[in-house]
Amino acid sequence: GAVVSQHPSRVICKSGTSVKIECRSLDFQATTMFWYRQFPKQSLMLMATSNEGSKATYEQGVEKDKFLINHASLTLSTLTVTSAHPEDSSFYICSASKAGITDTQYFGPGTRLTVL
Amino acid sequence: AQRVTQPEKLLSVFKGAPVELKCNYSYSGSPELFWYVQYSRQRLQLLLRHISRESIKGFTADLNKGETSFHLKKPFAQEEDSAMYYCALSGYGGATNKLIFGTGTLLAVQP
Repeated sequence: GAVVSQHPSRVICKSGTSVKIECRSLDFQATTMFWYRQFPKQSLMLMATSNEGSKATYEQGVEKDKFLINHASLTLSTLTVTSAHPEDSSFYICSASKAGITDTQYFGPGTRLTVL
Repeated sequence: AQRVTQPEKLLSVFKGAPVELKCNYSYSGSPELFWYVQYSRQRLQLLLRHISRESIKGFTADLNKGETSFHLKKPFAQEEDSAMYYCALSGYGGATNKLIFGTGTLLAVQP
């Protein structure tokens, strides 16, 4: 298999607080992890690409100081939404690709963030 | 600009009818195209990719470079095919493993 988990599955927070979302590859080593954002009834938009042990590469228009990504190990990447605001409310999805097999991404179940 | 277009938000067919989910792309290099599927309350998963030229669950997709299309087809739809289908393009931004997704088509197969 190739299972990717995300935690939490759902989080509600107050405006101004920070929220951390974890993405784990459970049964394989993920050299690269990706973070996506999905608005209701819209497509997945790539936010950043994260390689283990190096800084994440952010897509144009994504604030790196707002969305902090850490990929400290081959099985874990975290996305921290800092000073969250209601407009950050969205569905965040991570994916991971196996070492040496870069053309397939395995997706997590997503995290629903609601900022009040 | 690199782009994936899925013109239909919703496609409703009856069981046993043929299905064609349209996907067009815009890409300056040699793209890799994929179809991902998301069943109700499940995560996104890969259905098929053009380089494999395989048939998965009865679905096939042929890359037509002349028409820049990668339409997904199935001759006889089943109720369990009802799901959200996303066409995706790899290779944009100079990185072969980054994906850009279309907006998705919801396939509803009626009994």
